[in-house]
Amino acid sequence: GESVGLHLPTLSVQEGDNSIINCAYSNSASDYFIWYKQESGKGPQFIIDIRSNMDKRQGQRVTVLLNKTVKHLSLQIAATQPGDSAVYFCAENSGTYKYIFGTGTRLKVLA
Amino acid sequence: GAGVSQTPSNKVTEKGKYVELRCDPISGHTALYWYRQSLGQGPEFLIYFQGTGAADDSGLPNDRFFAVRPEGSVSTLKIQRTERGDSAVYLCASRPGQNTGELFFGEGSRLTVL
Repeated sequence: GESVGLHLPTLSVQEGDNSIINCAYSNSASDYFIWYKQESGKGPQFIIDIRSNMDKRQGQRVTVLLNKTVKHLSLQIAATQPGDSAVYFCAENSGTYKYIFGTGTRLKVLA
Repeated sequence: GAGVSQTPSNKVTEKGKYVELRCDPISGHTALYWYRQSLGQGPEFLIYFQGTGAADDSGLPNDRFFAVRPEGSVSTLKIQRTERGDSAVYLCASRPGQNTGELFFGEGSRLTVL
């Protein structure tokens, strides 16, 4: 079927390298952020979240950094694997449980 | 356990027709969301329910779109007088409760309006 994200910004990385995906958000009142991964033909899948009272959170192979001063969020993936190839979205919540998604970045892992 | 289930997975209809899309959330999840995703775009918020009531419907584009969740479980998104611009993947997600923001998404219903 069709792939999600044919016209999205694309990040290409070599297998085994680290990946950094960036996201700018607009609402300074947003207090909670989530990164999602979406594979072709599937719904988004939760990766990691972070609250606004933190500036860093680590998971398994993933780290999210939050810079509230410049309203910037990043997702770092360590030792990128072929299975990490997907479209990645950040989402923000301004406190009302209404989650607004960004436009996404396509990650391509090169063998 | 079962995830979020959406039916139909694909729907092709003609301009002007009425369409219903169904979402079965994960059992026990109190919040249910509808998003719309066009090619190359992020999911666009439409509406979310807390229990049976619409907590926020600010994303519904116009009055042709309506959603219900009468018993606080299954939800139906209804689109009247469909237009070609309604063609997209409609995603449903559910959330367990107030203590987590993680949304569990279904695989979506792809709507094509000819």
